[in-house]
Amino acid sequence: DAGVTQSPTHLIKTRGQQVTLRCSPKSGHDTVSWYQQALGQGPQFIFQYYEEEERQRGNFPDRFSGHQFPNYSSELNVNALLLGDSALYLCASTAGTGILTNYNEQFFGPGTRLTVL
Amino acid sequence: AQSVTQPDIHITVSEGASLELRCNYSYGATPYLFWYVQSPGQGLQLLLKYFSGDTLVQGIKGFEAEFKRSQSSFNLRKPSVHWSDAAEYFCAVAGRTDSWGKLQFGAGTQVVVTP
Repeated sequence: DAGVTQSPTHLIKTRGQQVTLRCSPKSGHDTVSWYQQALGQGPQFIFQYYEEEERQRGNFPDRFSGHQFPNYSSELNVNALLLGDSALYLCASTAGTGILTNYNEQFFGPGTRLTVL
Repeated sequence: AQSVTQPDIHITVSEGASLELRCNYSYGATPYLFWYVQSPGQGLQLLLKYFSGDTLVQGIKGFEAEFKRSQSSFNLRKPSVHWSDAAEYFCAVAGRTDSWGKLQFGAGTQVVVTP
């Protein structure tokens, strides 16, 4: 079992550009969450996808958008990049039940390190 | 406002000594509580979790945590630290009824282990 995988590992962009990050969940998982971890900070929840729909969203602007595909993989898109978007972006997957997923452990990927110059 | 506080940004401990990491939370009702560890280049790994029942929770790698409702705390402990325990540790909470598994993390505590 490969666990949660993310690509790319590292990415360098310039201000104003757009970026797409990808996540493949752990086998058997259908729910994907994205977190942003700035340097020296704890991860901050961006949003969660279940059944190809955004189920919950954190306090992030509309520049941050996502998508979930029928195979449960997910993308995180960030438009009009700002210097402050430089961070480690973590993807987490879990087996959702359609109700609460707190009982099911969330497995995290190694992250994508985004640097905005 | 809901919050998770880890008062210690950085802790240095000698190998073989005991370790305690503090976590305090502010939440409307007792949330689900978690401790995660993050090593360089690695994703977050769950050490242990508290949902209900016994307030002393055992986790992986010899860690344990104690939930104290009166103090809104969930401190992590290990009796004897190994060099491989050097990492960043995060306390996290999730609401019981409406969070859909959304985790709220503290800022983390960096643990350095000296010989």
